[in-house]
Amino acid sequence: DQQVKQNSPSLSVQEGRISILNCDYTNSMFDYFLWYKKYPAEGPTFLISISSIKDKNEDGRFTVFLNKSAKHLSLHIVPSQPGDSAVYFCASFLYGQNFVFGPGTRLSVLP
Amino acid sequence: DGGITQSPKYLFRKEGQNVTLSCEQNLNHDAMYWYRQDPGQGLRLIYYSQIVNDFQKGDIAEGYSVSREKKESFPLTVTSAQKNPTAFYLCASATGPNQPQHFGDGTRLSIL
Repeated sequence: DQQVKQNSPSLSVQEGRISILNCDYTNSMFDYFLWYKKYPAEGPTFLISISSIKDKNEDGRFTVFLNKSAKHLSLHIVPSQPGDSAVYFCASFLYGQNFVFGPGTRLSVLP
Repeated sequence: DGGITQSPKYLFRKEGQNVTLSCEQNLNHDAMYWYRQDPGQGLRLIYYSQIVNDFQKGDIAEGYSVSREKKESFPLTVTSAQKNPTAFYLCASATGPNQPQHFGDGTRLSIL
């Protein structure tokens, strides 16, 4: 039973346009969420996080939105660059337990 | 330059053989984790340790063992009891249990 789902295995976007990566979770008690980015042959690197008390967090070109009622979060990348091509994982956390990771979405930014 | 190092990058195991994957960090992190990644799935937690000389089973601990004798080191042994060990293994560390984790570059284990 996957508690964290990323229903799009892959996404292609034109350079300069917006990339939107989506993540859904089933446990309404999750209180902290993160996005990681992973290049081939490397480990994931932390990108951005959001607490359940917020609905938006921005860091440069990256913005994460949280919709608690829908149990949905999304990562927006604007503008998308070829170097953003990677696999993106979302992860959810419940205090006192461990992170639960989604299966990832492969983003390809086309020049 | 601080980081987390996993070795080897590729590892091959014969049937019935135990193998140990190395994970070392110089970030002075208290918490360390081992994950397994299979195609189309998220990272699944094998074992974790919040402090030296203590570790806990994760969601898929069967067939694996760990030790945490030093803060910097958290080796994972894949035993012969693990019937489907072929996977990509990731080690991570963090300052605490609810903090973003720093990952190594992984070890890909295959069965001969």
